[in-house]
Amino acid sequence: QKEVEQDPGPLSVPEGAIVSLNCTYSNSAFQYFMWYRQYSRKGPELLMYTYSSGNKEDGRFTAQVDKSSKYISLFIRDSQPSDSATYLCAMSGAGDTGRRALTFGSGTRLQVQP
Amino acid sequence: DAGITQSPRYKITETGRQVTLMCHQTWSHSYMFWYRQDLGHGLRLIYYSAAADITDKGEVPDGYVVSRSKTENFPLTLESATRSQTSVYFCASHRGYNEQFFGPGTRLTVL
Repeated sequence: QKEVEQDPGPLSVPEGAIVSLNCTYSNSAFQYFMWYRQYSRKGPELLMYTYSSGNKEDGRFTAQVDKSSKYISLFIRDSQPSDSATYLCAMSGAGDTGRRALTFGSGTRLQVQP
Repeated sequence: DAGITQSPRYKITETGRQVTLMCHQTWSHSYMFWYRQDLGHGLRLIYYSAAADITDKGEVPDGYVVSRSKTENFPLTLESATRSQTSVYFCASHRGYNEQFFGPGTRLTVL
C-alpha cells in the first residue's frame, strides 16, 4: 500500500464549479502538506503549503488538513479553464528533515470545461 | 533568468547506452533532487544531494549514478540504460523546510 493515495481522475467540471481534490495518507509522522500543480509537459509548481492541521486560503484556493483522519483537501472556487492541470499532493515529516524529502501522491488530473 | 534548467529536454537512446541528464540551478540552494515520474506512480525520488560532494540514495536509485562537484549542477547518469528507465525525469532544488522547485523535465525513451 502506498503511503499517499490520490484518485487519478480525470475529474471534469464546468467552468465556475467548486472543485475538491483529496489525498489520504498512512504515515502519522507527516506534518507538512503541500499541493503542487503540473501543467502538461511542465514541471510541478508549488501551489499551497500548510503545516499540521487546519485551513489555509490563498485567493480561490483553500487547503485543508485533517490529521486525525489522515486526509487533506484542496478546494478551488470559481474554477477556470486555466486550472486544468494535474494536482499532486506532497507531504513530509520530522524524519524527512535531514534529506528534505517529500512523498508525493500520484496526482489527480482536472479538466475545467468552458 | 533564475531557476532550474534541464538538458536535454527530450532524449531517445538504446538499451545499454550511457546517458547523462543535466540539471543546473541559479539560486545556490543546498539541496537538489532527481525524481522520475511514471503513470500511476507519481514522483519517485532517485537521488538527492544536501550540498556539493554530498549525495545519497532515494527510493529508486538502482541503475543511476549522480555527482555534485558544484552547488549549481547535479547531473544524473544512467550507466547502462534499460527500457524500464523510460520515464520523465525532473530535477528539483529546495528552499527552507518544504519548498521544492522543479525544472521542466527530460523525457527519456530507451528503445
